[in-house]
Amino acid sequence: DADVTQTPRNRITKTGKRIMLECSQTKGHDRMYWYRQDPGLGLRLIYYSFDVKDINKGEISDGYSVSRQAQAKFSLSLESAIPNQTALYFCATSVQGGPTGELFFGEGSRLTVL
Amino acid sequence: QKEVEQNSGPLSVPEGAIASLNCTYSDRVSQSFFWYRQYSGKSPELIMSIYSNGDKEDGRFTAQLNKASQYVSLLIRDSQPSDSATYLCAVNPMKTSYDKVIFGPGTSLSVIP
Repeated sequence: DADVTQTPRNRITKTGKRIMLECSQTKGHDRMYWYRQDPGLGLRLIYYSFDVKDINKGEISDGYSVSRQAQAKFSLSLESAIPNQTALYFCATSVQGGPTGELFFGEGSRLTVL
Repeated sequence: QKEVEQNSGPLSVPEGAIASLNCTYSDRVSQSFFWYRQYSGKSPELIMSIYSNGDKEDGRFTAQLNKASQYVSLLIRDSQPSDSATYLCAVNPMKTSYDKVIFGPGTSLSVIP
């Protein structure tokens, strides 16, 4: 089983619907991140959390919210999905106190908003 | 100017050749540099980290860092078809109060048998 698991792996939805992407990890890492990947734009940080009580916005947080339910679980929500949120979403983890940038990624969740 | 730039490619090299992937960054105070490999349809995987000027070797991979020129590269010796992937350069500028890693758009590498 993957150390960082994302569900669902693929989702097609309609404009205006609420969507939740879930991430769970067995690596024991404190830090968790949500990125989106678009062709030609690379990976961009949406939100990150350094522990259960610490949530921070990344560079593209508008239209998204997150919840850190436990050390091992970090969920990303789109309250009202729009077509330009169609992308590949990755959850990632890293070690507290370790080099920032050494990230362990989940398998990705491909979201299509019609 | 984008913060982290890479040639998008595709870069094509014959099997057994050296593949050279380049990355430039705009923030002069950046301290940490990373190379990720991403196979088509898969997640990024960290292959190299480098923090000091010079070369760092790991098997067939060599990362080269020149902070004065704001340039980091990845050399892949004896390229294999299994090296065909997109390579992402990532930089940690460490200039703000929170940790943040900035990714480049990636370079697509194709190793021709």
